[in-house]
Amino acid sequence: GQNIDQPTEMTATEGAIVQINCTYQTSGFNGLFWYQQHAGEAPTFLSYNVLDGLEEKGRFSSFLSRSKGYSYLLLKELQMKDSASYLCAVMGLDTGRRALTFGSGTRLQVQP
Amino acid sequence: DADVTQTPRNRITKTGKRIMLECSQTKGHDRMYWYRQDPGLGLRLIYYSFDVKDINKGEISDGYSVSRQAQAKFSLSLESAIPNQTALYFCATSDKSTGLETQYFGPGTRLLVL
Repeated sequence: GQNIDQPTEMTATEGAIVQINCTYQTSGFNGLFWYQQHAGEAPTFLSYNVLDGLEEKGRFSSFLSRSKGYSYLLLKELQMKDSASYLCAVMGLDTGRRALTFGSGTRLQVQP
Repeated sequence: DADVTQTPRNRITKTGKRIMLECSQTKGHDRMYWYRQDPGLGLRLIYYSFDVKDINKGEISDGYSVSRQAQAKFSLSLESAIPNQTALYFCATSDKSTGLETQYFGPGTRLLVL
């Protein structure tokens, strides 16, 4: 089975940096995804890590440590529009087939 | 036009009714998925299909059935709706050929079972 943990809520200030952590336990790790979801809308893809290290994409970066079962999403120069839920999802194996399991999401509130 | 569409976007039904949620995609992806989302529980996989003849149960398939009518269409049915099936339902697609399998989501269907 797979288990994913991430904080339920976080608050940060506009212009600041915030780090959202995700820990996981999985069978047959095949990659970790981060998605952004604004309230009432569909999740949208942010980043993907399959090897250890940092992937940078503009203001967003994602880090992975497979040995520690740990990832984080780093958001720099926060903007009000970054207020959303951030979903960590792990691609593992479910009865021998690759399956994506989502965490419950971290709701980020950006304040002025 | 949206790549992944869902109909209806909102639905209110009564306990015991049979309803169908439809998903269509123009992305040309071979894989399609149905999830439900409940507050505090995240996205949970109901069914997934790797191609027209390959349909698999997900984490929470009880009370649901699916039909993959074509590569572009994947429908979810609630045979006899019950109140705890009230949720936000998302369809998603992915492309096996890229190796990455990033999932792309439709806009969601908000279902209320009275």
